[in-house]
Amino acid sequence: DVKVTQSSRYLVKRTGEKVFLECVQDMDHENMFWYRQDPGLGLRLIYFSYDVKMKEKGDIPEGYSVSREKKERFSLILESASTNQTSMYLCASYSGAYEETQYFGPGTRLLVL
Amino acid sequence: KNEVEQSPQNLTAQEGEFITINCSYSVGISALHWLQQHPGGGIVSLFMLSSGKKKHGRLIATINIQEKHSSLHITASHPRDSAVYICAPSENEKLTFGTGTRLTIIP
Repeated sequence: DVKVTQSSRYLVKRTGEKVFLECVQDMDHENMFWYRQDPGLGLRLIYFSYDVKMKEKGDIPEGYSVSREKKERFSLILESASTNQTSMYLCASYSGAYEETQYFGPGTRLLVL
Repeated sequence: KNEVEQSPQNLTAQEGEFITINCSYSVGISALHWLQQHPGGGIVSLFMLSSGKKKHGRLIATINIQEKHSSLHITASHPRDSAVYICAPSENEKLTFGTGTRLTIIP
């Protein structure tokens, strides 16, 4: 079974702090994604990566950056956390093969005070 | 207008009832995903389909590409089916998500 793990389930940070969210997958997937989920808005794509050191902006990249130094690890960085970044953050990975699906991590619920 | 519309937004039913959740989309797609999210946040993929119909246990998913519509059916519903069900059309690897249907099955 594919396993996607995220570094924290719950995180509380202060405004202005630099925040790192880490995601690791164990199935050698090329593609990895970071989403945020907010009530009434559904999941929205922040960034995705289709290979090591490659990244592409999603629909809401402002205030975020990402890093993919190794194939199995995709990090989301909030350079200076703000209260409007309080949200549930979900990581996913995907092989890209036909009829394959995305596999999601358990999510990190981030509260920025 | 949202690119992905799900209906109903909330659904409460008695155990054993037949459940239908609908999804209409306006984006171009290569496939459509149905996802399940339980309280606590974890998301599990139920189906990915690009045409016709797929069945897995008590779950059935259908898609009509011409009409840009998909349905998720649950037969003989059970309280453990209580969750949020999310429709997500995809173009290649990029998904666009509906806001979900919250399903509650009462024993």
